[in-house]
Amino acid sequence: ETGVTQTPRHLVMGMTNKKSLKCEQHLGHNAMYWYKQSAKKPLELMFVYNFKEQTENNSVPSRFSPECPNSSHLFLHLHTLQPEDSALYLCASSQGGSNEKLFFGSGTQLSVL
Amino acid sequence: AQKITQTQPGMFVQEKEAVTLDCTYDTSDPSYGLFWYKQPSSGEMIFLIYQGSYDQQNATEGRYSLNFQKARKSANLVISASQLGDSAMYFCAMRDYSGGYQKVTFGTGTKLQVIP
Repeated sequence: ETGVTQTPRHLVMGMTNKKSLKCEQHLGHNAMYWYKQSAKKPLELMFVYNFKEQTENNSVPSRFSPECPNSSHLFLHLHTLQPEDSALYLCASSQGGSNEKLFFGSGTQLSVL
Repeated sequence: AQKITQTQPGMFVQEKEAVTLDCTYDTSDPSYGLFWYKQPSSGEMIFLIYQGSYDQQNATEGRYSLNFQKARKSANLVISASQLGDSAMYFCAMRDYSGGYQKVTFGTGTKLQVIP
């Protein structure tokens, strides 16, 4: 069993659809993150949750709505997305501390038509 | 200014040879950490190696070593004895304080291809 699991692996949606991405970590970590990875661009940090509390929202449009019901689960709710939102969405978790390393899931490849 | 710069979009290396992937960084925070991650075609980002800004010695993890030159603000990854399974994207990242939070910033990556 991998440490960080993301579902679905692939998602195709229309601009009027509503969908959710799910992330679950089995590592007992306290922090969870959403990153967006677009072609030829650095990974962009979207949201950070520490102990279920959102500690960072990196100027993400409101059509992306995160939810963290507990330290092990993280969701990203999507609605009325744009084609430029097509990307790989990566979830990560970490224990905490200045030298903490991130543990990533395999990502959800999202295509918005 | 870019916080993390990886100037090599792509690299080729012969199997069993060593390769160096470049990374330079920019921060005013005296306490920071540098990371390298590997991303195979499956998509998952895999942690490889970490270097703290106050660490006196270069970090090593098996075939991976980090050539840390603090004055030049560079943190190059050296992979020795390349294997076919090393073919992947490699990302340099830095954790520092920015805007009151610890943040991890990633570079644009280097695609490494190992040739048999």
